[in-house]
Amino acid sequence: NTKITQSPRYLILGRANKSLECEQHLGHNAMYWYKQSAEKPPELMFLYNLKQLIRNETVPSRFIPECPDSSKLLLHISAVDPEDSAVYFCASSQCDSISNERLFFGHGTKLSVL
Amino acid sequence: GDSVTQTEGQVALSEEDFLTIHCNYSASGYPTLFWYVQYPGEGPQLLFRASRDKEKGSSRGFEATYDKGTTSFHLRKASVQESDSAVYYCALSSNQGGSAKLIFGEGTKLTVSS
Repeated sequence: NTKITQSPRYLILGRANKSLECEQHLGHNAMYWYKQSAEKPPELMFLYNLKQLIRNETVPSRFIPECPDSSKLLLHISAVDPEDSAVYFCASSQCDSISNERLFFGHGTKLSVL
Repeated sequence: GDSVTQTEGQVALSEEDFLTIHCNYSASGYPTLFWYVQYPGEGPQLLFRASRDKEKGSSRGFEATYDKGTTSFHLRKASVQESDSAVYYCALSSNQGGSAKLIFGEGTKLTVSS
């Protein structure tokens, strides 16, 4: 899937700061970060809809999203915790009709925290 | 809040067997319902969706019918193949604060043996 690219693919960290990057080439106006822990479904962390941020209030404050333009999305993580080990998916959609929204997902960044 | 329930956590079948994965939802209003499939190492990808009562979605031999009366959207396939082995997620689109949020069920891991 080259329509949504994420980097890096794999990340191994101690208690460090790092940023995940995502770029979509679909011309969509909404972008998302999802977290998927092992054997669990993806869970929404953040949503940018027409540059307006909507956050899942259960996400720890050490996760900070940034949307520099409509095609790019970043996720800054400060002082990662072992519970942050998961796959982080970027997704995008075209919000013409809220009820018919279809999400396209990237390949994900697998984060392993030591 | 809105939710999706998949009763089968794992399903093991042989090729050409009939598949049913049960999905029930709880939501206010009229959500759009989806089936996503996730292969190892990849992000979820849309199989199909339905947004009206009695509407049937279908793709690659899989199908499901939106049933508002029983609040269900069960996935069926008449004859599975080994290549269908994956995790299947039922999901609904929930309108929150003017933006749609995709809520996933817990997922069903399908293993098809030859």
